[in-house]
Amino acid sequence: GQNIDQPTEMTATEGAIVQINCTYQTSGFNGLFWYQQHAGEAPTFLSYNVLDGLEEKGRFSSFLSRSKGYSYLLLKELQMKDSASYLCAVKGGGNKLTFGTGTQLKVEL
Amino acid sequence: DVKVTQSSRYLVKRTGEKVFLECVQDMDHENMFWYRQDPGLGLRLIYFSYDVKMKEKGDIPEGYSVSREKKERFSLILESASTNQTSMYLCASSPFRGQFTGELFFGEGSRLTVL
Repeated sequence: GQNIDQPTEMTATEGAIVQINCTYQTSGFNGLFWYQQHAGEAPTFLSYNVLDGLEEKGRFSSFLSRSKGYSYLLLKELQMKDSASYLCAVKGGGNKLTFGTGTQLKVEL
Repeated sequence: DVKVTQSSRYLVKRTGEKVFLECVQDMDHENMFWYRQDPGLGLRLIYFSYDVKMKEKGDIPEGYSVSREKKERFSLILESASTNQTSMYLCASSPFRGQFTGELFFGEGSRLTVL
């Protein structure tokens, strides 16, 4: 089976940097994904890590350590529109993605 | 842009009714998925499909069935709706059968209330 843990809520200030952590335990591993979901909307894909290290995409970066079962999503220069839920998901064997429960990020002035 | 369309945004049904949730994607994707999303439980996979007439159980298939008669359409069926099936249902698709990268394209969701 798969177990994915991430904090339930986080609060950060506009313009700051925030790191959202995700730990996982899986019976197989073929990649870790981050999705963003605004309230009342569908999730949208942010990033994908399959090898250890940092993947950067604009203001967002995602890091993976397979040996530690650990990932984080780093958001820089926070904007109010970044207030959303951030979902960590792991691809095990086959074509299934298993999602964590999500971290609700609130960006304040 | 990929478009995944779910037939109804909001539905209210009675216990015991048969419920159909329809999903259509316009990008010729092989893979299609049905998830439900509940507060505190996140997204949980109900069923998925790699190809027409093919289906695989996800993590919580009990009480649900699916149908994929055409590549672009994936239907979720609640044979006899129960109150614990009140939830947000999300359909998703992705390309590349056998080469799934993990990037899912989601529909807007169908919020089902069972009374």
